[in-house]
Amino acid sequence: GESVGLHLPTLSVQEGDNSIINCAYSNSASDYFIWYKQESGKGPQFIIDIRSNMDKRQGQRVTVLLNKTVKHLSLQIAATQPGDSAVYFCADSKAWAGSYQLTFGKGTKLSVIP
Amino acid sequence: ETGVTQSPTHLIKTRGQQVTLRCSSQSGHNTVSWYQQALGQGPQFIFQYYREEENGRGNFPPRFSGLQFPNYSSELNVNALELDDSALYLCASSLARGYDNSYEQYFGPGTRLTVT
Repeated sequence: GESVGLHLPTLSVQEGDNSIINCAYSNSASDYFIWYKQESGKGPQFIIDIRSNMDKRQGQRVTVLLNKTVKHLSLQIAATQPGDSAVYFCADSKAWAGSYQLTFGKGTKLSVIP
Repeated sequence: ETGVTQSPTHLIKTRGQQVTLRCSSQSGHNTVSWYQQALGQGPQFIFQYYREEENGRGNFPPRFSGLQFPNYSSELNVNALELDDSALYLCASSLARGYDNSYEQYFGPGTRLTVT
């Protein structure tokens, strides 16, 4: 079946630097994309989302970019902090009867070096 | 905190047994989705319940079943447990509205199931 995947399994960045986490998706019918952060022992925490009619969306210190042409999604974290250390998942979805089923990638582990 | 709670936190079962996991959705949410997360993997969609009816199912066998109650809480039942069922089971709640598809899913902390 179709799935969401990630380019890099691990990423180490220096505190204060910007982080970029990439993701490729394969389902051309997907119209909704989310980034989640998962800390050890916890459930995924919503970071930011974007719909397919947009190519960029900004939040607090985070930006998601969507390139539908090449089916690529990225998460940019500005001024990375130690508290950003976690596993980051992208997920895609196609609307289904008013709600969304998410297809997750395997995740990228972000380690922030103090 | 998302307001989504799950019980129990941890569970150890023997192969062949049955298990029931519970989820209380965030107040006001009418949709609950269940996911299985194996160690080192991303969550995999099991099924979703909307207004007490199954509203989509992933690639899981029929021994995975669920319920949603009138208060929108939910149960995940797994029969004839196998060793590969050992995983973190996550539920996520969301609000689906007929006129405006809401999409944010809020995850609970999960139930860690170990099958021996």
